[in-house]
Amino acid sequence: ELKVEQNPLFLSMQEGKNYTIYCNYSTTSDRLYWYRQDPGKSLESLFVLLSNGAVKQEGRLMASLDTKARLSTLHITAAVHDLSATYFCAANNAGNMLTFGGGTRLMVKP
Amino acid sequence: GAVVSQHPSRVICKSGTSVKIECRSLDFQATTMFWYRQFPKKSLMLMATSNEGSKATYEQGVEKDKFLINHASLTLSTLTVTSAHPEDSSFYICSARDMSHASYNEQFFGPGTRLTVL
Repeated sequence: ELKVEQNPLFLSMQEGKNYTIYCNYSTTSDRLYWYRQDPGKSLESLFVLLSNGAVKQEGRLMASLDTKARLSTLHITAAVHDLSATYFCAANNAGNMLTFGGGTRLMVKP
Repeated sequence: GAVVSQHPSRVICKSGTSVKIECRSLDFQATTMFWYRQFPKKSLMLMATSNEGSKATYEQGVEKDKFLINHASLTLSTLTVTSAHPEDSSFYICSARDMSHASYNEQFFGPGTRLTVL
């Protein structure tokens, strides 16, 4: 059974600082997703990572995938308040369904 | 492209009544749709997988007689919460899988439905 763990679960950081959210998954998965969720809203797709060594960047967010370590990271560069949200990673399981991590609630303080 | 809508976005009902939530893929065909449930400050939990023209597949612990799923067309799936109780209050999110290769078999999420049972 595929399990996905994120850490940290909660992150409070100052504007301008850098930080990384980690996503570990327990069994082989052919793709890894990152989503953003604002309070009261649904999921917004951020990245889809398909292969070992994949790196994708959008603005201040960069996601990477290491399939050998079963690890994906979401790196935040020079955080701004607008990035405050909950971030979820999700891995594709053998049945082609998503298993979500527990989420990381990010608060960026001025 | 790849837009999924849900209706209603918010519903308040009395205990014992039934509530129907619609999930539509607006600009693509979705042979598979998924229904998730999310409690406050928690992650998404898959309730069931809905396949067009066949019975839904429910996850362990999800009562199929309570959460009725119908996927009558390639663009519409419905979730009916029957005889709702306050513990059914939650945020329900659907997603639809775009089978075109260009989207890497990705799921696209609806905006969610907030259900409150009084």
